Amino acid sequence: EVQLVESGGGLVKPGSSLKLSCVASGFTFSSYGMHWIRQAPKKGLEWIALIYYDSSNKYYADSVKGRFTISRDNSKNTLYLEMNSLRSEDTAMYYCALTDYYYWGQGVMVTVSS
Amino acid sequence: DIVMTQGALPNPVPSGESASITCQSSKSLLYSDGKTYLNWYLQRPGQSPQLLIYWMSTRASGVSDRFSGSGSGTDFTLKISRVEAEDVGVYYCQQFLEFPLTFGSGTKLEIK
Repeated sequence: EVQLVESGGGLVKPGSSLKLSCVASGFTFSSYGMHWIRQAPKKGLEWIALIYYDSSNKYYADSVKGRFTISRDNSKNTLYLEMNSLRSEDTAMYYCALTDYYYWGQGVMVTVSS
Repeated sequence: DIVMTQGALPNPVPSGESASITCQSSKSLLYSDGKTYLNWYLQRPGQSPQLLIYWMSTRASGVSDRFSGSGSGTDFTLKISRVEAEDVGVYYCQQFLEFPLTFGSGTKLEIK
């Protein structure tokens, strides 16, 4: 059974950093690209980053470019999202998802507030 | 960026009736490979989004045949036949033709 489990969220102050993790199981993680997608409270979905299966390519939304970094460790079946210079508008539920869009994690909440 | 614009539903929809959700893209999502790069999702209350339709009209594994997708290069429709209580939630269209990947703002379905 495919599982994606996010962790690392929490309440942080503006300007601070946070690193999210997404642990994958039930499939060959090293064969799939992975997305991070977020959803602000009571709002719609926003794609923020994609990483290829071998980390050869990475793409970002303009809203996070230069502040967020997507990475992966295929030996640990884990996807990461390093978030720096956090702003109140980064407050959201963060989901990891496979590039087939069929499998999503349950999400992890990030709240940026003073 | 490709803008995705979704229409609203005349909520609530009577149980057993059909509902059609529209989505329009600011650029054609029909690529030279003949595929249309559009997905549909349902996000039930308190849950992660669930993929319903990909390539505009292909049902994802395990999705009821009451759901069907159709359209052209820029205008799309998700039809739900015989709506049921479990169909309640917010429906999103998404283009995956080019970066940044973009979603519509969502269409809420309520059942009467």
